[in-house]
Amino acid sequence: QTVVTQEPSLTVSPGGTVTLTCASSTGAVTSGYYPNWFQQKPGQAPRALIYRTSNKHSWTPARFSGSLLGGKAALTLSGVQPEDEAEYYCLLYYGGAQGVFGGGTKLTVL
Amino acid sequence: EVQLVESGGGLVQPGRSLRLSCAASGFTFGDNAMSWVRQAPGKGLEWVGFIRSKAYGGTTQYAASVKDRFTISRDDAKSIAYLQMSSLKTEDTAVYYCTRHWDGDPHLDFWGQGTLVTVSS
Repeated sequence: QTVVTQEPSLTVSPGGTVTLTCASSTGAVTSGYYPNWFQQKPGQAPRALIYRTSNKHSWTPARFSGSLLGGKAALTLSGVQPEDEAEYYCLLYYGGAQGVFGGGTKLTVL
Repeated sequence: EVQLVESGGGLVQPGRSLRLSCAASGFTFGDNAMSWVRQAPGKGLEWVGFIRSKAYGGTTQYAASVKDRFTISRDDAKSIAYLQMSSLKTEDTAVYYCTRHWDGDPHLDFWGQGTLVTVSS
């Protein structure tokens, strides 16, 4: 069974920079896994942030960026705002069809 | 404005069936694939499956945890996607979200607000 792993929790100071990662049990994550990133705040539906590794949706704030880093998909937040405190999930597609979410990263802004 | 509205959730006994609906508006429904994602109480997101658009064959993909029990279908004339769930287990208890999915460039963009399914005797 394929497992996608994220940091369970991270803490960042307001105005700081933080990178969340997303690893696959099958090996290095490449663009062929079409990495997606989502943000979810308590009591709300998830909101899409990034698709195909680094592409932003029209509503994605400029401070969010996606990349591949050291064999993992990565989401970097630069100039973190208090409202960025949330759970973040990555989604990888295997064979372009089977999706697997990571376990999520709880980001605390403190 | 893209809108996705799920309905059909509720309390159901183990072993029974339930059908969820996702009514879409604000875009050409038939041009898009549609996905279902669930979230058990206090847990993370779990990909359930999706149905491709007719242009991509209208075929389906499912997570191993629901394969052979869940069926995704679509009615393009009504702009509705369905999730038929059978042989329900207590571990299927979750909020079920429908999302718009892009064929050929797999990603999800718009999400509904979700509908809660509780499987309990």
